[in-house]
Amino acid sequence: EPEVTQTPSHQVTQMGQEVILRCVPISNHLYFYWYRQILGQKVEFLVSFYNNEISEKSEIFDDQFSVERPDGSNFTLKIRSTKLEDSAMYFCASLTRGLGNEKLFFGSGTQLSVL
Amino acid sequence: AQKVTQAQTEISVVEKEDVTLDCVYETRDTTYYLFWYKQPPSGELVFLIRRNSFDEQNEISGRYSWNFQKSTSSFNFTITASQVVDSAVYFCALSDPTGANNLFFGTGTRLTVIP
Repeated sequence: EPEVTQTPSHQVTQMGQEVILRCVPISNHLYFYWYRQILGQKVEFLVSFYNNEISEKSEIFDDQFSVERPDGSNFTLKIRSTKLEDSAMYFCASLTRGLGNEKLFFGSGTQLSVL
Repeated sequence: AQKVTQAQTEISVVEKEDVTLDCVYETRDTTYYLFWYKQPPSGELVFLIRRNSFDEQNEISGRYSWNFQKSTSSFNFTITASQVVDSAVYFCALSDPTGANNLFFGTGTRLTVIP
């Protein structure tokens, strides 16, 4: 089965630093998403991206966050100045519009630890 | 507003027992989608099922079955003859029709299957 790939699997950073989380969605997919999961809590939607622009974003996705698809294969999430509360598992997901049998594929996540 | 409630925080069963995970949702939309995801200890999110609000037929897939009751806004998940490999956190999720895969997740139910 095709996979969404995320790198790195674990990233440690100092508070105030910028981080970029990388994702390679499945090649023929058109819709891309970022979710996060703070340890022990539920998975939360951050942002969706289609046709090179943000389709929808949650309240969590403030000005510190940005997304980009720089080269047609990677899909990145940038956190400009990390805070302690940004520590979480970040999941990338992608989707292709099928005919009623759509399935959202998640990557295995990047664990971000902000110290 | 969308809301998903998984009242069971943790469940333990002995191997081969059947177990039902409850999910109750709230939405004002008439068209919506419901999902179940499995999160094993390794952390990734594994898609189990996607169901649209017009399809109330119950579904069975091997040892898994789902009972969708629109009248009670519930989408319960049953595992028959549980196995140790079923041990995981299970998330129920809901999406609205505008962004059919911008998911609102429940808080999850941690299932432990004891050998």
